Order: sequence, then structure tokens, then C-alpha cells
Amino acid sequence: DTGVSQDPRHKITKRGQNVTFRCDPISEHNRLYWYRQTLGQGPEFLTYFQNEAQLEKSRLLSDRFSAERPKGSFSTLEIQRTEQGDSAMYLCASSLASGTGGHEQYFGPGTRLTVT
Amino acid sequence: AQSVTQLGSHVSVSEGALVLLRCNYSSSVPPYLFWYVQYPNQGLQLLLKYTTGATLVKGINGFEAEFKKSETSFHLTKPSAHMSDAAEYFCAVSHSGGYQKVTFGIGTKLQVIP
Repeated sequence: DTGVSQDPRHKITKRGQNVTFRCDPISEHNRLYWYRQTLGQGPEFLTYFQNEAQLEKSRLLSDRFSAERPKGSFSTLEIQRTEQGDSAMYLCASSLASGTGGHEQYFGPGTRLTVT
Repeated sequence: AQSVTQLGSHVSVSEGALVLLRCNYSSSVPPYLFWYVQYPNQGLQLLLKYTTGATLVKGINGFEAEFKKSETSFHLTKPSAHMSDAAEYFCAVSHSGGYQKVTFGIGTKLQVIP
């Protein structure tokens, strides 16, 4: 059984640099989500894909953030011109859309970003 | 709009004592409710969920939660705390129909004292 995986687990970067994170969802899951979690807070929704289509983006997702999910499989989240305020844990989750059920999301281990 | 309020950002219990973590929700439509647990430097793991039907739901590791519509609550309980229960717990809400955006509470950090 392979759950949701994320790479890298940790990333330290200097302010102004670009970073890219990858998420591999559970293979049969058609929905994929990105969240950001800062210290002392719950996960905050960033964006969501159904298959390859990006269907919703949070206001938290500034123009410096872009996410893709080519071919409806893995996803990447890129942050351009990083700022210290971008330091956070970035969580990816996936779920299986169905007509019934709780639509529970399964989370990856996260990528911890530190911007110096 | 939907929201979750977790009462108590830190809760301490003695090993073997009852665990009670409080969650109140706000939702304009019938909610789906979840409890997740997060261990340090890890992602979130689903403990249990309520969708429809029986209001008392049982989850993993001996946890359970009861959906009380009249109180808009979904408190998490465990009869006897174990040291391994020390973690952060998140209550979350979504709803049926369409895309089910999940909104999380700020979390409750559970400390278990030997």
C-alpha cells in the first residue's frame, strides 16, 4: 500500500529563490488538494484538482504560487520569489470522489519549507 | 460558510484518564465531520468521521465521537489515555454535495502525563 507521498520532506531556501514541491497521491484517487500549515494553526486550503483540472484556488494563493497536475496523476506546487512569510508546512492530500461517503482526505507527510 | 471551533489549544490528562477534546462546528447545510491526528513532523491521519446515520462514531486507537446536532458539537473522547496518544488533534468540517471543501480547526495539543 502506498499512501500519499511528498518530496522533498524539507526545503531550506533563501528569500527570492523559487522552489517546487511534488505530491504523488494514492493511485486511484482523482482529487488532490494542497494545504499550508503554519505553527499553531490547522491546515489552510490552498487549491484543489479533480483529475487534471484545477477547480478552486484560495485567496491565500498569491500570483507567486502555481500548481499543476498534468495527466491527473502527481502534482507540483511552485513558489516563485519566496518570502519569509512562505515558511510553513505544505501538505498534500488526495481523495476519491464518489456519490456517497465522507470524502475523507488522506494526507501526505508534508514538505517543511524554511525561507531564510 | 462553515467553520470549526476547538476549545482548548492545549489539554493535559494523566495516563489512564478520560480524554475529552471539544469541537463545535458551524455549517449552513448538514455537515460531514472529521477528527484527524497529527504526530510531530508528520501529515494528518484520519481518526474517525461522521457523515450520516449513527451519531456515535468509533474510530481507530479507541477514540470515538458523538455528533450532537442540537449542540452543533462533535467532541472526541477516549476512556483511557495512553502515552502514545500525545499528539495534535484537528477537528474538520465539510458537507455533502459537489466539492466538499474541508475546513479545519486550529488544533488541540494533547499532553499525556505519566
